[in-house]
Amino acid sequence: EPEVTQTPSHQVTQMGQEVILRCVPISNHLYFYWYRQILGQKVEFLVSFYNNEISEKSEIFDDQFSVERPDGSNFTLKIRSTKLEDSAMYFCASSRGAGGNQPQHFGDGTRLSIL
Amino acid sequence: GDSVTQMEGPVTLSEEAFLTINCTYTATGYPSLFWYVQYPGEGLQLLLKATKADDKGSNKGFEATYRKETTSFHLEKGSVQVSDSAVYFCALTHSGTYKYIFGTGTRLKVLA
Repeated sequence: EPEVTQTPSHQVTQMGQEVILRCVPISNHLYFYWYRQILGQKVEFLVSFYNNEISEKSEIFDDQFSVERPDGSNFTLKIRSTKLEDSAMYFCASSRGAGGNQPQHFGDGTRLSIL
Repeated sequence: GDSVTQMEGPVTLSEEAFLTINCTYTATGYPSLFWYVQYPGEGLQLLLKATKADDKGSNKGFEATYRKETTSFHLEKGSVQVSDSAVYFCALTHSGTYKYIFGTGTRLKVLA
């Protein structure tokens, strides 16, 4: 069964540094998402992306965050200047369409640790 | 705003016991409801879904019924196995938004 893949599985970065998290969505999916889960807390929506633009974003997704689909297969999340509170598990997801009948499929996550 | 509330874990059961994990939601309109499962070291996997009131989602022996009157979507399984040990997440979405709203997750541990 096709799956969403994320790299790296664990990223350790110094505070203030830029970090890029990478995702390869399922190949025939058109909608892409990032979520994060701070340890012990809920999985939180960050952003959705469709047709090469952001379709929705949360309050968490401020100017420090950006997303890009640089080619036909990758989907990236960039954090420009990391803060300690950015430490979390980041999940990428994709779906064929929007809405409940087209469920989102999630990757295994990237654990981001900010020192 | 919309929210999902799950029962606190961990839930510890013996093999072949009956499982219920409670999930209630607050949302406008008629959201779609999901259960996702996260096995150790893995991502979130869709377990089942229901898109309208009274729908029953089912998969791998798990079931959940969309109850509009009680705003609930409780997960049940008649006989759990050790391999069902995981974290279970209830989630919702609805038309007009792309985001899923998740509960806090409930850890299930099944003992042999």
